[in-house]
Amino acid sequence: EAGVTQSPTHLIKTRGQQATLRCSPISGHTSVYWYQQALGLGLQFLLWYDEGEERNRGNFPPRFSGRQFPNYSSELNVNALELEDSALYLCASSLAGRNYGYTFGSGTRLTVV
Amino acid sequence: AQTVTQSQPEMSVQEAETVTLSCTYDTSENNYYLFWYKQPPSRQMILVIRQEAYKQQNATENRFSVNFQKAAKSFSLKISDSQLGDTAMYFCAFLKGYGGSQGNLIFGKGTKLSVKP
Repeated sequence: EAGVTQSPTHLIKTRGQQATLRCSPISGHTSVYWYQQALGLGLQFLLWYDEGEERNRGNFPPRFSGRQFPNYSSELNVNALELEDSALYLCASSLAGRNYGYTFGSGTRLTVV
Repeated sequence: AQTVTQSQPEMSVQEAETVTLSCTYDTSENNYYLFWYKQPPSRQMILVIRQEAYKQQNATENRFSVNFQKAAKSFSLKISDSQLGDTAMYFCAFLKGYGGSQGNLIFGKGTKLSVKP
């Protein structure tokens, strides 16, 4: 069984540009979560999608947005990139019950220069 | 709001010895779940162990066990017979019970564990 896959592995963008990160959940998982892991700040919750709907959002500005497609894959968009957006972005998926924990992907390392 | 605190930024242990990582949390919820995740240098977050708050029995997974003290809101991880492959960042995480409005894992800042040969 394939795990959670994220692409690209690394992404370098210039300040002010837009970045698009992609995530494919484990087959059968309907919930997708996005986390930002910046150096020294731990994992900060960004977004939660379930069945195509945004269920919850962390304390991030509106230039962080995303969506979930009918096949449950998800996209995270970051507009007007700032230097402090440089971080590892982790995607996770879970079954609808989600009490058994999440399965994480290996992340996308975004560097803003 | 729930918070998770890991008070040990870094720890080290000799191979084959036992080490305990601390975690405390703050919540007014009665129905919740607690987790320990491991993040090796490969970056992938790996679920180590899970505990249901309504179960008094401490969870165990091979060399990994927890000491869950609900009243004290403490959830420590014990690693027995430490191996070099246990070297990683360890994150404690909290999840409200199903049906809550928050619905996402809340993580502590992590403990960097180094296992020395």
